[in-house]
Amino acid sequence: QVTLRESGPALVKPTQTLTLTCTFSGFSLSKSGMCVSWIRQPPGKALEWLALIDWDDDKYYNTSLKTRLTISKDTSKNQVVLVMTNLDPVDTATYYCARSGSYPYYFDNWGQGALVTVSS
Amino acid sequence: DIQMTQSPTSLSASAGDRVTITCRASQSISNYLNWYQQKPGKAPKLLIYIASSLPTGVPSRFSGSGSGTDFTLTISSLQPEDFATYYCQQSYSTPGTFGQGTKVEIK
Repeated sequence: QVTLRESGPALVKPTQTLTLTCTFSGFSLSKSGMCVSWIRQPPGKALEWLALIDWDDDKYYNTSLKTRLTISKDTSKNQVVLVMTNLDPVDTATYYCARSGSYPYYFDNWGQGALVTVSS
Repeated sequence: DIQMTQSPTSLSASAGDRVTITCRASQSISNYLNWYQQKPGKAPKLLIYIASSLPTGVPSRFSGSGSGTDFTLTISSLQPEDFATYYCQQSYSTPGTFGQGTKVEIK
């Protein structure tokens, strides 16, 4: 059974850096073809894909957020970490991690999401 | 980036109705189009992948079609548990952009 769970701070101040961790089980990110993405959803709004890391440590970023995002993995811990810098209130959202296979990427398993509020 | 436009933004329907939601891409994406269902307070759930394939466990009343720029999600007979928001997502190129969503409400 595949499970993913997001963890991180619920409240972050503007200009600060956000670090989110996705801890997963039921699959290995060292297996060829496996990928994990981060996707966010502001309250009442649509989904926005942020970043993807694959089994070969290749990384892909949303072009409009690329300068603020870093994705990494720790295969031994079954974790994927997303770092987002220079937070703004518009970054308030539920942040999801999700699994996919290799290209074309569709997300077949999702975490429950972590709400992050950016406010002073 | 490829833009995805869904229509309608919302619709009201009754149980048993046939419902169709469309998704249009700003450029051709072949058949690399996926659909997700999201219920309030829950994570999205994969409903259709690569335009017309159903994951294991998804009821056969859901179907998808289309290629190029125009795609359709059809629910053949709406059930009470289908009231939710539906999103399309292109996976032709990164970022894998989503549509703005279509909320299916009870009439």
